[in-house]
Amino acid sequence: DAGVTQSPTHLIKTRGQHVTLRCSPISGHKSVSWYQQVLGQGPQFIFQYYEKEERGRGNFPDRFSARQFPNYSSELNVNALLLGDSALYLCASSLMYSTLNYGYTFGSGTRLTVV
Amino acid sequence: EDQVTQSPEALRLQEGESSSLNCSYTVSGLRGLFWYRQDPGKGPEFLFTLYSAGEEKEKERLKATLTKKESFLHITAPKPEDSATYLCAVQAEGGTSYGKLTFGQGTILTVHP
Repeated sequence: DAGVTQSPTHLIKTRGQHVTLRCSPISGHKSVSWYQQVLGQGPQFIFQYYEKEERGRGNFPDRFSARQFPNYSSELNVNALLLGDSALYLCASSLMYSTLNYGYTFGSGTRLTVV
Repeated sequence: EDQVTQSPEALRLQEGESSSLNCSYTVSGLRGLFWYRQDPGKGPEFLFTLYSAGEEKEKERLKATLTKKESFLHITAPKPEDSATYLCAVQAEGGTSYGKLTFGQGTILTVHP
């Protein structure tokens, strides 16, 4: 089975532009979460979607938005990019809304560089 | 607010030299504490979940333990392939972001041959 798939793997954008990052969860997983990982830090929670509804939002500005599609894939959108948005964006999927035994399965991420 | 602090920030070991990584946490009610391993340019890879104080889990050369305030990841006779960043995260009971993980900043482990 394929793991969590994220695209693109790398992206370079200019300040002020808009970006869309995509995530396909493990087959059968209904929950997708997004995390931002700045170099040298741990991942920081952005959003969680379960059954196509937003179930959680981290402390990020309204420039960040997301959605989940009927096939449970997800998009993360960031408007008006700032230099500080440069980071590794990680998608994590899980079968249920909240899971403990097997943790959350992360993708390899999208490396976003804002210049 | 949930907080996770890991120490040390970086740890260099010789192959076979055992040591421990620390994760101190503050959370209103702990639902689970997670350990992940992250290789450069990759996403975190799940290692363990611990639920309650006194619990221990083992996987190969790794053993995780949990108290009411901290968790330790013990590495016995490490090999160079154990080199990675080790991340600790907590999940709180209830709240508006039920599935949210709060991560520490990680410990960078380097094992020299």
